[in-house]
Amino acid sequence: DAKTTQPTSMDCAEGRAANLPCNHSTISGNEYVYWYRQIHSQGPQYIIHGLKNNETNEMASLIITEDRKSSTLILPHATLRDTAVYYCIVSGGSNYKLTFGKGTLLTVNP
Amino acid sequence: GAVVSQHPSRVICKSGTSVKIECRSLDFQATTMFWYRQFPKQSLMLMATSNEGSKATYEQGVEKDKFLINHASLTLSTLTVTSAHPEDSSFYICSTRDNSGNTIYFGEGSWLTVV
Repeated sequence: DAKTTQPTSMDCAEGRAANLPCNHSTISGNEYVYWYRQIHSQGPQYIIHGLKNNETNEMASLIITEDRKSSTLILPHATLRDTAVYYCIVSGGSNYKLTFGKGTLLTVNP
Repeated sequence: GAVVSQHPSRVICKSGTSVKIECRSLDFQATTMFWYRQFPKQSLMLMATSNEGSKATYEQGVEKDKFLINHASLTLSTLTVTSAHPEDSSFYICSTRDNSGNTIYFGEGSWLTVV
């Protein structure tokens, strides 16, 4: 079973920041938070991951709360091509399997 | 660029025949690869974990004799759907960890249609 809870869908205006929340209240100390996205009919695309510190790369920023029970993926300037299903996944330790939940369908509107 | 490559991207086969899907890691050696299946409008479901040089580990409910996995080298894992039936039609996706072990990359996926 997926260990995360995400909203089913979200909308965002083009050019604005998209903030996608994720709850992972049962995360264990050695588990990372991963974010992937899937555009229709393609394999999932890696976005970012983190353990406890906030992370930033060329695609997005990941904000993890101090208690690590939730996180937020931030796309700073959403474009129409960012429309996709975004998956938040926790995994790590001796078990590196990624268990996918239903994810959040982000729709970026012009 | 892609770090994991799958082939074929689309395949149509007749019911009762077998189909092989290849998954290659392009930039690193992969001792472990994962195979997923995704039905339309559903999320990815892990089928099995492929381990180089040893037997694959299958998830509960996945028939190991129907979905044969071979991981004979550090850059190639194959999934063979044997005696395919229309209900096996799905999107099959492989993934693997990079050398750091902390990032998992996915292939482009393979669409299987059994007619």
